Amino acid sequence: NAGVMQNPRHLVRRRGQEARLRCSPMKGHSHVYWYRQLPEEGLKFMVYLQKENIIDESGMPKERFSAEFPKEGPSILRIQQVVRGDSAAYFCASSPPGTGYGYTFGSGTRLTIV
Amino acid sequence: AQSVTQLDSHVSVSEGTPVLLRCNYSSSYSPSLFWYVQHPNKGLQLLLKYTSAATLVKGINGFEAEFKKSETSFHLTKPSAHMSDAAEYFCVVGLLRGGGNKLTFGTGTQLKVEL
Repeated sequence: NAGVMQNPRHLVRRRGQEARLRCSPMKGHSHVYWYRQLPEEGLKFMVYLQKENIIDESGMPKERFSAEFPKEGPSILRIQQVVRGDSAAYFCASSPPGTGYGYTFGSGTRLTIV
Repeated sequence: AQSVTQLDSHVSVSEGTPVLLRCNYSSSYSPSLFWYVQHPNKGLQLLLKYTSAATLVKGINGFEAEFKKSETSFHLTKPSAHMSDAAEYFCVVGLLRGGGNKLTFGTGTQLKVEL
C-alpha cells in the first residue's frame, strides 16, 4: 500500500496563475481531507470530501479555492489567481469509510507564490 | 465547537531526561484525541490516538499520553528523550462527522533535545 500520494511535492506559481494540487488516497479509503499549514502555524482544516461529494467545506476560503474528488482519479485542490498569501504547505489525508480513526496524511505540497 | 491549547510553544530538554508536552482540549462531544509529530519539511506522523478506550495510551517511539477528562488534558510524555525526538509536536482533537473525522490542530510545540 503506497500510502497517501500528493503531487507535486513543490510547486512554484507566479501571482495570478492557477495552482492544482493532487492527492491520491490510500487504497480502500473513501474520505479525503485537505489541510493548510501557513508558516510557523499548525494545520487548519479546509475541506472534507467523499467520492463526488463535498461533505464539509467550512474551512475553505470563499473565493478562488475549490476542491473535487471525482469518481475516477485523484482529489484536486484548485487555487485560482494565486496571491502571495497562498504560499503554504497543503496536506491531504484519507481515511476508510465508516470511521475517521484510520487517518493517514500525505507528505504535502509546498506551494510558493512569487 | 472544539479547540486545542498547547501550553508551551517551545520545550527544551537534555538527552536522557523526561519529556512533557502539555495539551488541553475543549469539545462538545466525547473527543477523539491525537498527537502528531512533524520533522522539518516532512509530513505528519501519528504518535498515538485516544478513542474512548483506555485512558493511558501508548504510542510509537516510547511516547504515551493520558486522557484526563476532569482536567480536559491530554499531555504527552516520554521517560527519556533522544536526539531524534527533536521535532514539532501537534495535539489534535477530532470531530466525527459523516463517517469522517474533522481534525482541529493545536499551534504546536517545538521540542529541542540537547546533549
